[in-house]
Amino acid sequence: DAMVIQNPRYQVTQFGKPVTLSCSQTLNHNVMYWYQQKSSQAPKLLFHYYDKDFNNEADTPDNFQSRRPNTSFCFLDIRSPGLGDAAMYLCATSRSRTYNEQFFGPGTRLTVL
Amino acid sequence: ELKVEQNPLFLSMQEGKNYTIYCNYSTTSDRLYWYRQDPGKSLESLFVLLSNGAVKQEGRLMASLDTKARLSTLHITAAVHDLSATYFCAGDSNFGNEKLTFGTGTRLTIIP
Repeated sequence: DAMVIQNPRYQVTQFGKPVTLSCSQTLNHNVMYWYQQKSSQAPKLLFHYYDKDFNNEADTPDNFQSRRPNTSFCFLDIRSPGLGDAAMYLCATSRSRTYNEQFFGPGTRLTVL
Repeated sequence: ELKVEQNPLFLSMQEGKNYTIYCNYSTTSDRLYWYRQDPGKSLESLFVLLSNGAVKQEGRLMASLDTKARLSTLHITAAVHDLSATYFCAGDSNFGNEKLTFGTGTRLTIIP
């Protein structure tokens, strides 16, 4: 089945220790998104790629970076995690601008000690 | 800038009852999406509403879109415990923009 895969599902890191979360998709969708979701809140968009074009949200901290080396993979790098970065990180994909139904991966739960 | 508001934020209802979740949005949005999220899990796409008057049904859930009123509703019929979850609506910021604006979510608890 076509799907969105995230690894790892759970990540524990130490304060200030860089971490990378990965996302892959077999849907062959053009758009890939990274969201941060904290408890009892709606997902918050960090950035997204339309093909190779990177689109950063204005309020996404510089501490968060992303890479999309090819259509299938996208990475979220947190350069110096703080306690406030503990959250669920969700990757999603959509086919195109004209059909924006987003399909979400299972998420990575990040804990910062 | 598109704003999306849901109400209620919390909803407890007894099994077998009917209820409606409302989703209002602030500016023109051609399309409206409904998602379900179980505790600790990711979001699952429920409905995609693409035009004024669109109505979609899946089991005990029915979603509709009124673009003139800038309102979408998610109606629950004869609720069962398995429907307990958080439901989000989301709109496109504008046609051709690949970003979604999410509502605050409605946490639905079905009480036996």
